[in-house]
Amino acid sequence: EAGVTQFPSHSVIEKGQTVTLRCDPISGHDNLYWYRRVMGKEIKFLLHFVKESKQDESGMPNNRFLAERTGGTYSTLKVQPAELEDSGVYFCASSQGSRSSGNTIYFGEGSWLTVV
Amino acid sequence: GNSVTQMEGPVTLSEEAFLTINCTYTATGYPSLFWYVQYPGEGLQLLLKATKADDKGSNKGFEATYRKETTSFHLEKGSVQVSDSAVYFCALSEIGTALIFGKGTTLSVSS
Repeated sequence: EAGVTQFPSHSVIEKGQTVTLRCDPISGHDNLYWYRRVMGKEIKFLLHFVKESKQDESGMPNNRFLAERTGGTYSTLKVQPAELEDSGVYFCASSQGSRSSGNTIYFGEGSWLTVV
Repeated sequence: GNSVTQMEGPVTLSEEAFLTINCTYTATGYPSLFWYVQYPGEGLQLLLKATKADDKGSNKGFEATYRKETTSFHLEKGSVQVSDSAVYFCALSEIGTALIFGKGTTLSVSS
Protein backbone atom coordinates (compact mmCIF):
# COMPACT_ATOMS: atom_id res chain seq x y z
CA GLU A 1 0.00 0.00 0.00
CA ALA A 2 1.36 3.40 -0.95
CA GLY A 3 1.95 5.86 1.84
CA VAL A 4 1.34 9.57 1.90
CA THR A 5 3.24 11.13 -0.96
CA GLN A 6 4.27 14.74 -1.30
CA PHE A 7 5.64 16.74 -4.19
CA PRO A 8 8.04 18.44 -4.62
CA SER A 9 10.40 17.03 -2.04
CA HIS A 10 12.55 20.16 -2.19
CA SER A 11 11.89 23.60 -3.59
CA VAL A 12 13.96 26.78 -3.64
CA ILE A 13 12.14 29.92 -4.70
CA GLU A 14 12.69 33.65 -4.50
CA LYS A 15 10.77 35.89 -2.18
CA GLY A 16 7.57 37.02 -3.87
CA GLN A 17 7.21 33.93 -6.03
CA THR A 18 4.50 31.32 -5.79
CA VAL A 19 4.90 27.70 -4.79
CA THR A 20 2.32 24.93 -4.86
CA LEU A 21 2.82 21.82 -2.77
CA ARG A 22 0.90 18.67 -3.51
CA CYS A 23 -0.12 15.84 -1.22
CA ASP A 24 -1.61 12.47 -2.11
CA PRO A 25 -3.02 10.80 1.00
CA ILE A 26 -3.29 7.09 1.60
CA SER A 27 -6.15 5.70 -0.46
CA GLY A 28 -9.39 5.64 1.49
CA HIS A 29 -8.29 8.17 4.09
CA ASP A 30 -10.91 10.88 4.45
CA ASN A 31 -8.84 12.98 6.84
CA LEU A 32 -5.99 15.02 5.42
CA TYR A 33 -3.80 17.38 7.42
CA TRP A 34 -1.15 19.96 6.66
CA TYR A 35 1.56 20.83 9.17
CA ARG A 36 4.79 22.74 8.97
CA ARG A 37 8.03 22.90 10.88
CA VAL A 38 9.76 26.22 10.48
CA MET A 39 13.44 26.85 11.24
CA GLY A 40 13.80 23.62 13.21
CA LYS A 41 11.13 24.64 15.67
CA GLU A 42 7.99 22.84 16.75
CA ILE A 43 5.56 21.26 14.33
CA LYS A 44 2.57 23.49 13.85
CA PHE A 45 -0.84 22.44 12.60
CA LEU A 46 -2.10 24.32 9.55
CA LEU A 47 -5.39 22.78 8.57
CA HIS A 48 -7.53 19.66 8.42
CA PHE A 49 -9.72 18.41 5.60
CA VAL A 50 -12.45 15.82 5.93
CA LYS A 51 -12.97 14.69 2.38
CA GLU A 52 -13.19 17.95 0.42
CA SER A 53 -14.37 20.11 3.34
CA LYS A 54 -12.14 22.21 5.57
CA GLN A 55 -12.82 20.90 9.06
CA ASP A 56 -10.36 23.19 10.80
CA GLU A 57 -8.17 25.88 9.26
CA SER A 58 -7.30 27.68 12.47
CA GLY A 59 -3.58 27.12 11.95
CA MET A 60 -3.28 28.86 8.60
CA PRO A 61 -0.92 31.77 9.29
CA ASN A 62 -2.34 34.33 6.87
CA ASN A 63 -4.11 34.78 3.56
CA ARG A 64 -0.96 34.08 1.57
CA PHE A 65 -1.67 30.41 2.20
CA LEU A 66 -4.42 28.63 0.29
CA ALA A 67 -5.25 24.95 0.61
CA GLU A 68 -7.60 22.97 -1.56
CA ARG A 69 -8.79 19.41 -1.79
CA THR A 70 -11.05 19.20 -4.78
CA GLY A 71 -12.89 15.90 -5.03
CA GLY A 72 -11.67 14.78 -1.65
CA THR A 73 -8.56 13.08 -2.99
CA TYR A 74 -5.25 14.90 -3.30
CA SER A 75 -4.64 18.32 -1.77
CA THR A 76 -2.60 21.34 -2.72
CA LEU A 77 -1.13 24.06 -0.54
CA LYS A 78 -0.24 27.26 -2.35
CA VAL A 79 1.92 29.99 -0.89
CA GLN A 80 1.56 33.28 -2.76
CA PRO A 81 3.60 35.42 -2.49
CA ALA A 82 6.24 33.53 -0.53
CA GLU A 83 8.15 35.29 2.24
CA LEU A 84 11.47 34.39 3.85
CA GLU A 85 9.77 33.22 7.05
CA ASP A 86 7.82 30.61 5.08
CA SER A 87 10.96 28.49 4.73
CA GLY A 88 10.65 25.14 6.45
CA VAL A 89 9.28 21.66 6.03
CA TYR A 90 5.65 21.22 5.10
CA PHE A 91 4.22 17.89 6.14
CA CYS A 92 1.07 16.32 4.87
CA ALA A 93 -0.64 13.55 6.80
CA SER A 94 -3.73 11.41 6.49
CA SER A 95 -5.87 9.13 8.60
CA GLN A 96 -9.01 7.07 8.43
CA GLY A 97 -10.26 8.79 11.54
CA SER A 98 -12.08 5.74 12.80
CA ARG A 99 -11.78 4.32 16.29
CA SER A 100 -11.04 0.88 14.87
CA SER A 101 -7.98 2.22 13.09
CA GLY A 102 -6.62 3.57 16.36
CA ASN A 103 -6.67 7.04 14.89
CA THR A 104 -3.14 6.66 13.58
CA ILE A 105 -2.06 9.58 11.45
CA TYR A 106 0.50 8.82 8.75
CA PHE A 107 2.90 11.43 7.49
CA GLY A 108 4.54 12.02 4.18
CA GLU A 109 8.24 12.70 3.75
CA GLY A 110 7.64 16.43 3.72
CA SER A 111 8.19 19.20 1.20
CA TRP A 112 11.28 21.20 2.12
CA LEU A 113 10.76 24.82 1.10
CA THR A 114 13.52 27.40 1.02
CA VAL A 115 12.63 31.01 0.22
CA VAL A 116 15.62 33.17 -0.68
CA GLY B 1 -7.65 22.82 25.26
CA ASN B 2 -5.43 19.81 24.64
CA SER B 3 -1.67 20.20 24.89
CA VAL B 4 1.57 18.25 25.07
CA THR B 5 4.65 19.13 27.08
CA GLN B 6 7.92 17.33 26.56
CA MET B 7 11.32 17.83 28.07
CA GLU B 8 13.58 20.40 26.54
CA GLY B 9 16.68 19.19 24.79
CA PRO B 10 19.12 18.61 23.49
CA VAL B 11 19.79 15.29 25.13
CA THR B 12 23.34 14.07 24.66
CA LEU B 13 24.21 10.46 25.49
CA SER B 14 26.94 7.94 24.90
CA GLU B 15 26.18 4.77 22.99
CA GLU B 16 24.49 2.07 25.12
CA ALA B 17 23.23 4.61 27.67
CA PHE B 18 19.65 4.53 28.97
CA LEU B 19 17.27 7.04 27.46
CA THR B 20 14.20 8.70 28.94
CA ILE B 21 12.36 11.56 27.26
CA ASN B 22 9.53 12.84 29.41
CA CYS B 23 6.15 13.72 27.96
CA THR B 24 3.01 14.84 29.76
CA TYR B 25 -0.30 15.82 28.27
CA THR B 26 -3.51 17.67 28.96
CA ALA B 27 -6.67 16.45 27.30
CA THR B 28 -10.39 16.87 27.76
CA GLY B 29 -11.32 13.49 26.32
CA TYR B 30 -9.60 10.15 25.77
CA PRO B 31 -6.80 10.75 23.31
CA SER B 32 -4.45 8.39 21.58
CA LEU B 33 -0.79 9.09 22.28
CA PHE B 34 2.11 8.88 19.86
CA TRP B 35 5.83 9.26 19.53
CA TYR B 36 7.09 10.43 16.17
CA VAL B 37 10.72 10.65 15.10
CA GLN B 38 12.47 12.76 12.48
CA TYR B 39 15.92 11.56 11.48
CA PRO B 40 18.29 14.11 9.93
CA GLY B 41 17.16 15.05 6.43
CA GLU B 42 14.15 12.76 6.53
CA GLY B 43 10.42 13.01 7.04
CA LEU B 44 8.33 12.35 10.11
CA GLN B 45 7.89 8.70 11.06
CA LEU B 46 5.56 7.10 13.56
CA LEU B 47 7.71 5.41 16.19
CA LEU B 48 5.04 3.98 18.48
CA LYS B 49 1.55 4.61 19.76
CA ALA B 50 -0.91 3.75 22.53
CA THR B 51 -4.63 4.18 22.25
CA LYS B 52 -5.86 3.70 25.81
CA ALA B 53 -4.74 3.83 29.41
CA ASP B 54 -2.10 1.27 30.45
CA ASP B 55 -1.32 0.38 26.84
CA LYS B 56 2.37 0.07 26.09
CA GLY B 57 3.65 1.03 22.67
CA SER B 58 6.96 -0.41 21.52
CA ASN B 59 9.13 -0.37 18.44
CA LYS B 60 12.88 -0.63 17.65
CA GLY B 61 13.68 -1.07 21.34
CA PHE B 62 11.76 2.04 22.35
CA GLU B 63 8.83 1.82 24.75
CA ALA B 64 6.23 4.16 26.20
CA THR B 65 3.30 3.44 28.53
CA TYR B 66 0.06 5.43 28.53
CA ARG B 67 -0.34 6.52 32.15
CA LYS B 68 -3.71 8.15 32.71
CA GLU B 69 -3.15 8.75 36.42
CA THR B 70 -0.05 10.84 35.75
CA THR B 71 -1.10 12.00 32.25
CA SER B 72 2.27 10.86 30.94
CA PHE B 73 3.73 8.97 28.01
CA HIS B 74 7.47 8.90 28.64
CA LEU B 75 9.72 7.42 25.95
CA GLU B 76 12.42 4.96 27.07
CA LYS B 77 15.13 2.85 25.52
CA GLY B 78 17.51 0.67 27.43
CA SER B 79 20.55 1.06 25.19
CA VAL B 80 20.73 3.82 22.59
CA GLN B 81 22.74 3.66 19.39
CA VAL B 82 24.34 6.36 17.29
CA SER B 83 21.64 5.71 14.68
CA ASP B 84 18.98 6.82 17.20
CA SER B 85 20.17 10.41 16.89
CA ALA B 86 17.11 12.34 15.79
CA VAL B 87 14.36 14.67 16.95
CA TYR B 88 11.58 12.97 18.91
CA PHE B 89 8.07 14.38 19.10
CA CYS B 90 5.38 13.39 21.56
CA ALA B 91 1.86 13.92 20.25
CA LEU B 92 -1.78 13.30 21.02
CA SER B 93 -4.99 13.26 19.07
CA GLU B 94 -8.60 12.42 19.52
CA ILE B 95 -10.61 10.58 16.88
CA GLY B 96 -10.86 12.57 13.67
CA THR B 97 -8.87 15.51 14.96
CA ALA B 98 -5.43 16.83 14.17
CA LEU B 99 -2.35 15.79 16.08
CA ILE B 100 -1.05 18.16 18.70
CA PHE B 101 2.72 17.96 19.02
CA GLY B 102 5.16 18.74 21.75
CA LYS B 103 8.08 20.98 20.87
CA GLY B 104 10.41 18.09 20.08
CA THR B 105 13.51 16.79 21.83
CA THR B 106 16.78 16.49 19.97
CA LEU B 107 18.75 13.38 20.87
CA SER B 108 22.42 13.14 20.02
CA VAL B 109 24.22 9.85 20.63
CA SER B 110 27.99 9.61 20.37
CA SER B 111 30.14 6.50 20.05
